[in-house]
Amino acid sequence: DAGITQSPRYKITETGRQVTLMCHQTWSHSYMFWYRQDLGHGLRLIYYSAAADITDKGEVPDGYVVSRSKTENFPLTLESATRSQTSVYFCASRLAGSYNEQFFGPGTRLTVL
Amino acid sequence: AQRVTQPEKLLSVFKGAPVELKCNYSYSGSPELFWYVQYSRQRLQLLLRHISRESIKGFTADLNKGETSFHLKKPFAQEEDSAMYYCALSDTGANSKLTFGKGITLSVRP
Repeated sequence: DAGITQSPRYKITETGRQVTLMCHQTWSHSYMFWYRQDLGHGLRLIYYSAAADITDKGEVPDGYVVSRSKTENFPLTLESATRSQTSVYFCASRLAGSYNEQFFGPGTRLTVL
Repeated sequence: AQRVTQPEKLLSVFKGAPVELKCNYSYSGSPELFWYVQYSRQRLQLLLRHISRESIKGFTADLNKGETSFHLKKPFAQEEDSAMYYCALSDTGANSKLTFGKGITLSVRP
């Protein structure tokens, strides 16, 4: 499971600041995903990427930006953090193919004050 | 739009009791369904998927297309089963994605 890592694991920031959450995987998986986990909402997809330089919106993309210049990295940026973005963020990856097992990172707990 | 409903937030049972975690889905095509589990201080991981029809850690789940359900069952709960469980639905196609339910916390008491 060390194949997919996230950093930082914990982050406290202030409203209006830019924050970047990092995700790195060593499996060369084509697909990568960002979710947020909130009580009462479960896991919701923010953005996903099918390959380097190919990204698309998920269910809750507003306020977030992603990029994927390399297959192994998929950073998530909050351009101007808001309190409603306080959450636990999970990165995941999977191989291309129809069997949709996703492998998850350990999560980043973000608090926006 | 696809949707996954887990109607309960918490299920608390005694060790040895049967467990059923409910999951209902809405999807216009042929669904692929999964159960993911998150143990305390561990990352989310796949527990089982309907297509393989397997039993993992004593858990089984049967897809019932008539009732659009994919309930997770275990006849005798163990304390180590205590965790958060998510039901998930995959859409089809090359860029298939998972839609998760809101999750249910299973607490197994000694």
